[in-house]
Amino acid sequence: QVQLVQSGAEVKKPGASVKVSCKASGYTFPSYAISWVRQAPGQGLEWMGWISIYNGNTYYAQNLQGRVTMTTDTSTSTAYMELRSLRSDDTAVYYCARGSRSGTNGMDVWGQGTSVTVSS
Amino acid sequence: DIQMTQSPSSLSASVGDRVTITCRASQSISNYLNWYQQKPGKAPKLLIYAASSLQSGVPSRFSGSGSGTDFTLTISSLQPEDFATYYCQQSYNTPFTFGPGTKVDIK
Repeated sequence: QVQLVQSGAEVKKPGASVKVSCKASGYTFPSYAISWVRQAPGQGLEWMGWISIYNGNTYYAQNLQGRVTMTTDTSTSTAYMELRSLRSDDTAVYYCARGSRSGTNGMDVWGQGTSVTVSS
Repeated sequence: DIQMTQSPSSLSASVGDRVTITCRASQSISNYLNWYQQKPGKAPKLLIYAASSLQSGVPSRFSGSGSGTDFTLTISSLQPEDFATYYCQQSYNTPFTFGPGTKVDIK
């Protein structure tokens, strides 16, 4: 079946980096884009950006520019999101989600989420 | 960036009730509006895309309408499994911003 499986929970110190993986299966990986969405404890959803698997184009939310990098490995159908210079307010559950190349029809398949805790 | 607002922020309803949630965009987004349902500890689930298209596998009691700046999600007869938080999201322009959410709980 179509699914996205994410890597496990992480605990990081302020200033460190985290890299979350998202492995796709059950569909043609390059035919879609992958978005990353995060949710701080008790808060709403924040769209972080996306990557087109087809051509590698990326878009990052302005508040994360310079700290986030989204990449893919088409040989393993895996997407990655790296966030650097972590702060306490980066503590959140991070989701990857599949969307169309244009992004216009929403995100129809989601990973299970990866908890990232930033604490000294 | 396009700002999304939702009303109400929360509501209490009973099983069988008709529930309507409103979403408004800060500028026209045509019909590039999606609705998601999220239950505690779970990933969001796509319910409606392109303002009124029902995602495969989603019960027909869910419906969406609207275009331009004003949109609604309607649950025609609330079921026990529908108690959750609902988010709208625009996919007209990046960043694809979400609304703040509407929590639907049991009266």
